[in-house]
Amino acid sequence: GQQLNQSPQSMFIQEGEDVSMNCTSSSIFNTWLWYKQDPGEGPVLLIALYKAGELTSNGRLTAQFGITRKDSFLNISASIPSDVGIYFCAGRPDSGTYKYIFGTGTRLKVLA
Amino acid sequence: GAVVSQHPSRVICKSGTSVKIECRSLDFQATTMFWYRQFPKQSLMLMATSNEGSKATYEQGVEKDKFLINHASLTLSTLTVTSAHPEDSSFYICSARPVDGINYGYTFGSGTRLTVV
Repeated sequence: GQQLNQSPQSMFIQEGEDVSMNCTSSSIFNTWLWYKQDPGEGPVLLIALYKAGELTSNGRLTAQFGITRKDSFLNISASIPSDVGIYFCAGRPDSGTYKYIFGTGTRLKVLA
Repeated sequence: GAVVSQHPSRVICKSGTSVKIECRSLDFQATTMFWYRQFPKQSLMLMATSNEGSKATYEQGVEKDKFLINHASLTLSTLTVTSAHPEDSSFYICSARPVDGINYGYTFGSGTRLTVV
């Protein structure tokens, strides 16, 4: 199935550092979502973006809907150990479908 | 907030048997539910879209006779893995779209770990 390209694939950071990850596609999306998944659990929604250029925050998390509608970014400020997990972007194509396509994931590990 | 319950969380079955996984929206009605499959350290791959009262729509490459989906009510969708084989072992996750949630992020269940021996 179709997937979105997400980078970096994985990252190790020190506690307190800021984290940035992005998601890109060759096609246009009209909604972007960012999820976090802990081992053995389902993904939990972090941020939803509905308009090109939109910048939305949720606590230490900030995400942006790219102007081209082909990408999105997620930033985590002042990381803490519980931020560890896999972060997925998900995009809904601009084709009238309700389906979301998931990114390949960014595995984050925070070193205390 | 919206809660999706998935059951069972873990199941081990013998090769050749069938397994049913339930996905329930607990505090909202879901017109549409989605079934995903996730292999270790990989992303979520959409298997099928389940619409209440109609046939499910399967993604390319997913065998509809193998993965039977029933969406009998606005709060329940089931996925049955028929004649399971070891290669069907995976993490299966459902998500639900609220009746009025065209633009909302969908809520996921906690997943079902299927092991076929």
